Amino acid sequence: LAKTTQPISMDSYEGQEVNITCSHNNIATNDYITWYQQFPSQGPRFIIQGYKTKVTNEVASLFIPADRKSSTLSLPRVSLSDTAVYYCLVGAHYGGATNKLIFGTGTLLAVQP
Amino acid sequence: GAVVSQHPSWVICKSGTSVKIECRSLDFQATTMFWYRQFPKQSLMLMATSNEGSKATYEQGVEKDKFLINHASLTLSTLTVTSAHPEDSSFYICSARGNRGTPDYGYTFGSGTRLTVV
Repeated sequence: LAKTTQPISMDSYEGQEVNITCSHNNIATNDYITWYQQFPSQGPRFIIQGYKTKVTNEVASLFIPADRKSSTLSLPRVSLSDTAVYYCLVGAHYGGATNKLIFGTGTLLAVQP
Repeated sequence: GAVVSQHPSWVICKSGTSVKIECRSLDFQATTMFWYRQFPKQSLMLMATSNEGSKATYEQGVEKDKFLINHASLTLSTLTVTSAHPEDSSFYICSARGNRGTPDYGYTFGSGTRLTVV
């Protein structure tokens, strides 16, 4: 399973766009990139998943360069309620055989008023 | 979407007693369930993987005799912390995965159980 590296923490203000980058230099051909959000004392919640280029849903965008060695989670116009830990995972594939989700350190995003 | 219910949400027990945590998939059949442990300000650590009807596979360093996992049905897995000690105090989270080829093949997490051993 590819190892991921993320910043330990980030600060932002309400209304700003936040970009969290994750490095995964050893990503395999069949690996997907998935991001989860976790609030204190809650289980992780799926945010977005992608394989290459750009993926967008109602809450975030995921940018993946051609070499796929990194990815960037983009949160538009954050609010206080977006304060959470964001995890980048590589290897989980909804249609594949990879079974275990291994979490890295995550990024604690603190949104200030 | 897929929902996983975890119960209890918190529990306090005396040292030396056993505690059982339940994880249920409410609207899908979970062929595989995962148990994680999370200490304060740390990431989730995978403890074990269980497939319905078979023995759980434990990660290195996790005592299988202390953390008993049962996955007797496609909708229920239980984690029993036996002879709990204060160092077992942690946040325990389960995750369930449905059948391959279905929308439930993704990973859905429970809300977690805060265990405090006194």
